[in-house]
Amino acid sequence: EIVLTQSPGTLSLSPGERATLSCRASQSVRSSYLAWYQQKPGQAPRLLIHGVSSRATGIPDRFSGSGSGTDFTLIISRLEPEDFAVYYCQQYGSSPLFTFGPGTTVDIK
Amino acid sequence: QVQLQESGPGLVKPSETLSLTCTVSGGSVSSGAYYWSWIRQPPGKGLEWIAYIYYSGNTNYNPSLKSRVTISIDTSKNQFSLKLSSVTAADTALYYCARALVGYSYASFDSWGQGTLVTVSS
Repeated sequence: EIVLTQSPGTLSLSPGERATLSCRASQSVRSSYLAWYQQKPGQAPRLLIHGVSSRATGIPDRFSGSGSGTDFTLIISRLEPEDFAVYYCQQYGSSPLFTFGPGTTVDIK
Repeated sequence: QVQLQESGPGLVKPSETLSLTCTVSGGSVSSGAYYWSWIRQPPGKGLEWIAYIYYSGNTNYNPSLKSRVTISIDTSKNQFSLKLSSVTAADTALYYCARALVGYSYASFDSWGQGTLVTVSS
């Protein structure tokens, strides 16, 4: 089973700042099967990034994903007030077929 | 735009079976492009994938739950369902249905229901 670890657990930043979120896998993630989601309180997760670096439909270009193998990064170039939320990474391909990281909370400093 | 809506009892007694249905609108569960999934989130915790089903009936389960889970699909009603047997308090969670798009280099959940809270308690 591939275990995903996200760091930091909480990131306290101000609007306009850059956020760098890390997702590390215990084994190499197959192909480009790494995605990122944003979840706000009381809402379902929303797909941000699929295939490591492709933005989902309607996602602004301040969100970018990168990485390969076991190390992946989500960058929010300039935080907007609506970006303060919990972010999860997700892999596909190992049993269980889909697994999620524990999440990183981006909160307002 | 596809919409997914979970339905089912919000309270289930320990040792009983949790049953949920996801109704899909604005799209078809018979579309060969997607896998239809259940995901849960205990209060204040992270996400756990439970299972998926393809329109053909092909299924895949999380091994940690496999012995207790059944997922099924009803293409005539454009619905898919989840049954989780022998529930305990540890199964208390927000249960989401979601659509997974799986391709050559991508596999992610691009549409989600709003979630339904299921509490296991006597």
